[in-house]
Amino acid sequence: NAGVTQTPKFQVLKTGQSMTLQCAQDMNHEYMSWYRQDPGMGLRLIHYSVGAGITDQGEVPNGYNVSRSTTEDFPLRLLSAAPSQTSVYFCASSLRQGRTGAGELFFGEGSRLTVL
Amino acid sequence: QQPVQSPQAVILREGEDAVINCSSSKALYSVHWYRQKHGEAPVFLMILLKGGEQKGHEKISASFNEKKQQSSLYLTASQLSYSGTYFCGTEISGTYKYIFGTGTRLKVLA
Repeated sequence: NAGVTQTPKFQVLKTGQSMTLQCAQDMNHEYMSWYRQDPGMGLRLIHYSVGAGITDQGEVPNGYNVSRSTTEDFPLRLLSAAPSQTSVYFCASSLRQGRTGAGELFFGEGSRLTVL
Repeated sequence: QQPVQSPQAVILREGEDAVINCSSSKALYSVHWYRQKHGEAPVFLMILLKGGEQKGHEKISASFNEKKQQSSLYLTASQLSYSGTYFCGTEISGTYKYIFGTGTRLKVLA
């Protein structure tokens, strides 16, 4: 069981370049989300999705796009990379638990992005 | 909106106890706790639901007071393996936004 798979694990970009971070899960989870974590900081929510075709903005969505065409995949696109987007990015997924909301979040291993 | 955790950092000797607090300005439906070791992804510890439920995981337990919008994580007889950063996580009531607290760095010394 692969769980949540993120690619690439490492990436270096130049300012202005675009790229896509891939995230796939094989647990049939409805809920998927992207977080960024800066050094010594907590996790900040970028975008999230509660099912195929449904996405919404989190706390820090500017400069990022997402789409959810299938239950399994939730790619994160950087439109025009900036040094401020240098960070570690985590994708996570969970089952919804009715009125109690999100269940346990399963995380990918992270993608370390450096923008020069 | 981000839940605030206290303390920000704590250093313990093996065998000592610690309490980590998580406080939110928004109504909480449930609270999760995660531990993240350096260079790794966060790992789920436990979930607490409305009702003041206290749950345990080996020597780690937690409580949740929804009226005070607070949760506390209790680590007893700490072990070296407990070192890491602890995060509380919660879904903002009425939304599907799942956010994390500010984090508490815990270091256990031999």
